[in-house]
Amino acid sequence: ELKVEQNPLFLSMQEGKNYTIYCNYSTTSDRLYWYRQDPGKSLESLFVLLSNGAVKQEGRLMASLDTKARLSTLHITAAVHDLSATYFCAVDGASGGSNYKLTFGKGTLLTVNP
Amino acid sequence: NAGVMQNPRHLVRRRGQEARLRCSPMKGHSHVYWYRQLPEEGLKFMVYLQKENIIDESGMPKERFSAEFPKEGPSILRIQQVVRGDSAAYFCASSPQGGGYEQFFGPGTRLTVL
Repeated sequence: ELKVEQNPLFLSMQEGKNYTIYCNYSTTSDRLYWYRQDPGKSLESLFVLLSNGAVKQEGRLMASLDTKARLSTLHITAAVHDLSATYFCAVDGASGGSNYKLTFGKGTLLTVNP
Repeated sequence: NAGVMQNPRHLVRRRGQEARLRCSPMKGHSHVYWYRQLPEEGLKFMVYLQKENIIDESGMPKERFSAEFPKEGPSILRIQQVVRGDSAAYFCASSPQGGGYEQFFGPGTRLTVL
């Protein structure tokens, strides 16, 4: 069974600081997704990482993927309050043939304080 | 170009009643997925459907839950005889094809069972 672990689960940081959220997964998969969720809202797609070594950046967020280590990181640079949200990583079950089935981590609740 | 639509957005039911959740996929998408999000948890896969076919319902409880995606009209997730433990947010996603295509999520239906 594919397992996805995120850490930390809770992250409180000050504006202007940098931090990294980690996402480990248990079996081979070639596609990793990062989503943002605001309270009571749906999931907003941030990044889709398709291959080993992939790095994508959007504003103050940068995501990377190491398929050999089964690890993805979401790096936050110079955080601002607007980034406060819950961030999820998800992996599809590509290796098991059910590559439509996303398995999500528990999410990282990020709070950026002034 | 409307996104994935779900209704109702909020649904309150008493124990023992039935809940019907509807999902209209994005235009041009014929693959629908349902996920459930319990409080402070990540989303968990329930079922994957194409028009008139259930492809994978491995994540759906064996009793009281059913899903359909008819030739015409929205996909329906039906929960019979609801219990308090069914209280959750139910998200629908759609993709143009199956097998690893990015899934786009709707706003969710928040079910509360009294």
